[in-house]
This record gives sequence, C-alpha cells and structure tokens, in this order.
Amino acid sequence: GESVGLHLPTLSVQEGDNSIINCAYSNSASDYFIWYKQESGKGPQFIIDIRSNMDKRQGQRVTVLLNKTVKHLSLQIAATQPGDSAVYFCAENDFGNEKLTFGTGTRLTIIP
Amino acid sequence: EAQVTQNPRYLITVTGKKLTVTCSQNMNHEYMSWYRQDPGLGLRQIYYSMNVEVTDKGDVPEGYKVSRKEKRNFPLILESPSPNQTSLYFCASSFGRAPEQYFGPGTRLTVT
Repeated sequence: GESVGLHLPTLSVQEGDNSIINCAYSNSASDYFIWYKQESGKGPQFIIDIRSNMDKRQGQRVTVLLNKTVKHLSLQIAATQPGDSAVYFCAENDFGNEKLTFGTGTRLTIIP
Repeated sequence: EAQVTQNPRYLITVTGKKLTVTCSQNMNHEYMSWYRQDPGLGLRQIYYSMNVEVTDKGDVPEGYKVSRKEKRNFPLILESPSPNQTSLYFCASSFGRAPEQYFGPGTRLTVT
C-alpha cells in the first residue's frame, strides 16, 4: 500500500482497548470539525463530524470531543479492532471560505 | 455504486510534458475538490469547484489548472509538470458545503 506519511505522530493500542487521538486546530471561525480515516492505499473516509456549537458527538464506537477554549479536538475509538489501524486526520471546515483544511494526521496501530 | 473515480492511478512522466488526471463522481455532487498529499504535510487543497463553471484556488494552486464543464467531471491539468509536483493526488466531492467529502482512490504521480 501507499505510505501516506513518514513522520506522523504514532499511537499503538492493544486490541480491545480504547484509543484517543488528539488534534489542535487554528481557525476559531470554523463551522465544522471532521475526522477522516485513511487506510493504506486508499483515499480518506469520513468518520464523524461535529458542529462548532457542540461539545460532544457520538457515533458507532467513536466519540468526538470539541474544546473551543483551547482549540482542541479529539477522537475516541472504543474497543479497538485490527481494522481500526489507519492514519486519522482531523479537518476543519470554514463555510465562509468554502475550504476544508486538514491536519497532518496520526497513525494508529492496533496490536493484536 | 456511489463512488469517485480517478484515472490514471499511477503515472510516471518527465518534466514539461503536459498531463491530465481525470476525476468523475456519480453522486450528483455540486462540490468537487483536488488535494495533494505529501509526507508530513497532510492533505493540501489545490483547487475546488462549487458547481459547473465555478472554480476557485485552494492553498497550493500554482502549477495546476482545473475545469468544470460538467457536474460529474473535474479534471486536474498540469501544463508543465515539475519534480516538485511529485505527489499523491486525491479528488473529492460532496453535496454543497456538507462536511462529509467522498474521496477517490488517489493518483500517484512521479515527475522525473
């Protein structure tokens, strides 16, 4: 598969444990914050988003937390599985300039 | 099947030889975008289009052109490729300003 980043922050988690991936954003005017998952050799895939007027949103096995005070976003993955191994990107969406700005990504490895 | 397709998937070319990477989506999305992905830099937006005949520059537009003559297609054109355009390119689409973008499988371009 393709190598999407040789100098990414990495996180290794035992299968079945919970993982937390963190992201700092820069634009306080962003309207949405989004998490994408990129598996080796594939394009990014949408996981979950959260509006700027929310603090928390839950999906299937995933929770996103937004702290606007410190411009911090996190993705929690519960009961991790081998298929969760991937690079995870946060992104911020500013409707005003119609742009989606991505972070540099974190590589999550699930240890069997 | 709803999808974004890109062609070619892999391309090796020489400096100065014009090339086009095609992108097509079958979801009737208004918004389409091109990104390049480089190690340590994440995904950076090249150009985007809000609808037919409407295109705008992203963060790294220099050396690239795009066109949007049809809703489903958004080709990326490199008039005179240079080695610094060696990268992994992704096309994406979405409904309007929706935060969820659908990505293609990527095009690995090498310019020698």
